[in-house]
Amino acid sequence: AQSVTQLDSQVPVFEEAPVELRCNYSSSVSVYLFWYVQYPNQGLQLLLKYLSGSTLVKGINGFEAEFNKSQTSFHLRKPSVHISDTAEYFCAVRRLSGNTPLVFGKGTRLSVIA
Amino acid sequence: DTGVSQDPRHKITKRGQNVTFRCDPISEHNRLYWYRQTLGQGPEFLTYFQNEAQLEKSRLLSDRFSAERPKGSFSTLEIQRTEQGDSAMYLCASSLGTTGYTEAFFGQGTRLTVV
Repeated sequence: AQSVTQLDSQVPVFEEAPVELRCNYSSSVSVYLFWYVQYPNQGLQLLLKYLSGSTLVKGINGFEAEFNKSQTSFHLRKPSVHISDTAEYFCAVRRLSGNTPLVFGKGTRLSVIA
Repeated sequence: DTGVSQDPRHKITKRGQNVTFRCDPISEHNRLYWYRQTLGQGPEFLTYFQNEAQLEKSRLLSDRFSAERPKGSFSTLEIQRTEQGDSAMYLCASSLGTTGYTEAFFGQGTRLTVV
């Protein structure tokens, strides 16, 4: 089975400051890795994904994440946040094989302060 | 392509009543997933369809829950004899493909409140 741990439940940060949202996962098999964003009363939107290849992946809205296999981590970063980035962010994994569902972490609430 | 559509967006019901939610996936998407999201938690997998076949069910899906996708298009999720613990956001997602990675697109969810 897979599991995802998001180490921070809430992250406050000032506008234009950098931010890192941490994600660690546990799995006995290889996985795909994802970050989703959820705005209030909305569904989830895919920010970025790691499937294979380069460990640094770039996503929408200026976000990027780095896959570290030895540390089983997939931390999300943005060099300069905006007020509009205030949202809930979810890290998720999925097994490579089979039609398995996504397994999500509990989420990190990013609050950008003006 | 209008995205994944869920109806209703909000539902308030009394404990013990039955409720049914509908999900219309993106046209031609053959995979459809249901997730439940409680306050302060990430989405948790409930069940999954490939076309009309229900291929996997989570242990979270008690016998009060039933899901269908009769023609391989829209899906319904019914909760019988609702309990306060059923209060949550119910999310539907769809994707296209049979093997490997395909992106799952999520609907805006149905928020259920059981009073």
